[in-house]
Amino acid sequence: SAVISQKPSRDICQRGTSLTIQCQVDSQVTMMFWYRQQPGQSLTLIATANQGSEATYESGFVIDKFPISRPNLTFSTLTVSNMSPEDSSIYLCSVEDPVGAEKLFFGSGTQLSVL
Amino acid sequence: DAKTTQPPSMDCAEGRAANLPCNHSTISGNEYVYWYRQIHSQGPQYIIHGLKNNETNEMASLIITEDRKSSTLILPHATLRDTAVYYCIVRVSSRGNTGKLIFGQGTTLQVKP
Repeated sequence: SAVISQKPSRDICQRGTSLTIQCQVDSQVTMMFWYRQQPGQSLTLIATANQGSEATYESGFVIDKFPISRPNLTFSTLTVSNMSPEDSSIYLCSVEDPVGAEKLFFGSGTQLSVL
Repeated sequence: DAKTTQPPSMDCAEGRAANLPCNHSTISGNEYVYWYRQIHSQGPQYIIHGLKNNETNEMASLIITEDRKSSTLILPHATLRDTAVYYCIVRVSSRGNTGKLIFGQGTTLQVKP
C-alpha cells in the first residue's frame, strides 16, 4: 500500500490569490495524479504528474491555472492560481500502487473554499 | 472507457449483505470492472476489480455476469462504517494508465442500524 499525506487539509482563500497543495507519499512512485471534486459532484482528473517531465493535463484544465511540480518520486504540488469561487472544491492527490497492483491510493484531500 | 450505470442510492440493514449493481453493457473484452468507495470527507478507497471471473477479497466479492454486461459488488455483512458512495468503473487495466479513472455519480449506500 501507499500512505499519502496532503497539506493543507483545508483552507479558506480570497479571490485572486493562489494556493499550493502538497502531496507526500511514503513510497517512490512513478506517476502521481491530481483530481478535483466539486461540491456534490464526482471526481475529475486534472492532470498526471511524472517526475522529470511536464505534467499532462486533461481537457478543460491548463497549466497556467493549475501548475504542477514533481521534483522527486515521493512528492508533488498542485497550485490553484488566481482563484475564484468556482475553484471551491476538494483537491485530491493519488498514486498507483507502488508494488504493482493496478489500483490507486488517494490522499484525504484538500478542502478549498474561495471567498 | 465504457460507461457504467448505477442506482443513485440504496439502503441496507446493518449485518445484512449489501448487493450493489452496476450495468456496463458496452464493456470491451479488455476492460476490467473496478469498484472504489468514498466515505464522507475521505479520498476514494479501492475495493476490488475483476475481468470475467468472480473475485473475492477481505472487503467484498465481485460477481460479473457471463456476458460481462453487468456486475454486482457484495459486502457480505454490512456495518455502519460501510456507509459511503460506491463507484463502479470499467477501464483497460495497464500500468501507467491506472490513474485515469472516470468516476460516475456512484451509488450512495446507507447502512442503517
